[in-house]
Amino acid sequence: DTGVSQNPRHKITKRGQNVTFRCDPISEHNRLYWYRQTLGQGPEFLTYFQNEAQLEKSRLLSDRFSAERPKGSFSTLEIQRTEQGDSAMYLCASSSQRSDRGNGYTFGSGTRLTVV
Amino acid sequence: GDSVTQMEGPVTLSEEAFLTINCTYTATGYPSLFWYVQYPGEGLQLLLKATKADDKGSNKGFEATYRKETTSFHLEKGSVQVSDSAVYFCALSVKAGTALIFGKGTTLSVSS
Repeated sequence: DTGVSQNPRHKITKRGQNVTFRCDPISEHNRLYWYRQTLGQGPEFLTYFQNEAQLEKSRLLSDRFSAERPKGSFSTLEIQRTEQGDSAMYLCASSSQRSDRGNGYTFGSGTRLTVV
Repeated sequence: GDSVTQMEGPVTLSEEAFLTINCTYTATGYPSLFWYVQYPGEGLQLLLKATKADDKGSNKGFEATYRKETTSFHLEKGSVQVSDSAVYFCALSVKAGTALIFGKGTTLSVSS
């Protein structure tokens, strides 16, 4: 078990460009979550997958954001036409159906996005 | 809606001092409660948890008790170390599969 892996660790992009992040969850975990964390704030929920199905999306997830989890394994989060306000740490977490409430989730180290 | 409120930081302590970080919550039903820690440049790590009223979570000398009557889950440690310097987040989960709801975090700085 190598934990939750996120790539890249850092991304600097120009405003208006598209970016894509990847998350590889713990292999036996069927649930996967994306969060966004800005400076001085706690993580805010973006979206959630159970297996390959996207079951919930936050109002924070504008139409410029899209997430996928093909085959219920890794997930990608794409941001189109990036804006400076998108600069944040994007965190991925995974859990198994039996462990959610009891054990919380396992988080990756995050991808830090800077839009210049 | 469901929410978590943490005391604002930063909290600055000397090594071996007693630590309390207050956390209160608002939630429907009976949430599970968590404390996560985030060290500089790293992701969040689960520190401790409690799933029902009066449960006490503990780990690495940290403790927190689920108090339903006061809707609180305060984090305590009897003697902090420099290595405890980090950001601490209180969080809740209302139902299995739903997202964790986090407080804003409290920065702890411990000096020797």
